[in-house]
Amino acid sequence: GDQVEQSPSALSLHEGTGSALRCNFTTTMRAVQWFRKNSRGSLINLFYLASGTKENGRLKSAFDSKERYSTLHIRDAQLEDSGTYFCAAGDTNAYKVIFGKGTHLHVLP
Amino acid sequence: NSKVIQTPRYLVKGQGQKAKMRCIPEKGHPVVFWYQQNKNNEFKFLINFQNQEVLQQIDMTEKRFSAECPSNSPCSLEIQSSEAGDSALYLCASSRLGGLVAETLYFGSGTRLTVL
Repeated sequence: GDQVEQSPSALSLHEGTGSALRCNFTTTMRAVQWFRKNSRGSLINLFYLASGTKENGRLKSAFDSKERYSTLHIRDAQLEDSGTYFCAAGDTNAYKVIFGKGTHLHVLP
Repeated sequence: NSKVIQTPRYLVKGQGQKAKMRCIPEKGHPVVFWYQQNKNNEFKFLINFQNQEVLQQIDMTEKRFSAECPSNSPCSLEIQSSEAGDSALYLCASSRLGGLVAETLYFGSGTRLTVL
């Protein structure tokens, strides 16, 4: 099975509301990274975490290696937040980075 | 955000033709990854390098692809004989250290290959 399970696969939010994306891991991961794919197709770095939580503006991410999950919280969603969000995790093999299948976020006016 | 440069942006080839794409990693990043992303947004790891040495590659890459990261030149990934199933977005990423051990991956904008 997939080592990184990302959910939900799609999400619609009204402007000003919030929600959480989640990645569950079937094995212990060393670190996780969250990306957003913008309208031009570029992967934009959002967060890198080896543990704990990080916050940047309206986004907050958490990573628990022991419990094998990571979350990305979005609050006060804006139209420009629309896009596809990916998590990627590094497993115990230092050179292997595994991606989730993405969450397509659509922010509605 | 990222200074990884990939060329060309789009590539169209016929079946059986060679398809070559290039990547200039961020300055000071010795580790380079290549991924293939299909139309379902699924990422497939292809190969990675540290400086000029291959660290890991999957079986498909070893058999059908030619890849290198020469010093002072762009890294390259070349499909020796393109197949329809190779149509995908090819993404290059670089980092300062090995994968996600301690550092962030930075991605280029990708090369979208279409095999007719």
